[in-house]
Amino acid sequence: AQSVAQPEDQVNVAEGNPLTVKCTYSVSGNPYLFWYVQYPNRGLQFLLKYITGDNLVKGSYGFEAEFNKSQTSFNLKKPSALVSDSALYFCAVREDTGTASKLTFGTGTRLQVTL
Amino acid sequence: DVKVTQSSRYLVKRTGEKVFLECVQDMDHENMFWYRQDPGLGLRLIYFSYDVKMKEKGDIPEGYSVSREKKERFSLILESASTNQTSMYLCASSLWGTSTYEQYFGPGTRLTVT
Repeated sequence: AQSVAQPEDQVNVAEGNPLTVKCTYSVSGNPYLFWYVQYPNRGLQFLLKYITGDNLVKGSYGFEAEFNKSQTSFNLKKPSALVSDSALYFCAVREDTGTASKLTFGTGTRLQVTL
Repeated sequence: DVKVTQSSRYLVKRTGEKVFLECVQDMDHENMFWYRQDPGLGLRLIYFSYDVKMKEKGDIPEGYSVSREKKERFSLILESASTNQTSMYLCASSLWGTSTYEQYFGPGTRLTVT
């Protein structure tokens, strides 16, 4: 089965500094990887995805993610963090069952950006 | 914009009650999903549906059932609610495909079973 791991429960960053949220994956075959964000009292919102192609994927709100096959990682990055980026971030991997595609999520990383 | 709505934001039920959580999407998506979200455990898939009247178990189906009588509507049923089913429940929908595959989520229902 496909899986992803988020090794950090929380990441703390000062506003204006770069941020990285880590994700590692375990898949058989080509990985299809996603990042979602959850703001307080809201559902999840799609940020970006890696299907194939460039190892640097650009997404919403200035976020990007770096796919690294040798390290089996898909880390979320942003050059300059904002307080409004404070949220819960989930990495996910797609798995095809034959009848449908489903996503398997990591446990989430809480990002706290302070002034 | 895709819109996924859930019938309640907050719900309080008693142990042993039958509970219905409703989800509606307006984008003609084939696939619909029910997750529960618990701190430290992330999102876990309960059931999903790939077509009307078709369903498959996810990772934690025990204690739950689902119904999909119309393409736009997917219901999660707790036959006899228990306190360990207190959680945030999230519904999602998506197209069936490859490169366009993204899931769109509703706002969630926070269920408390007392």
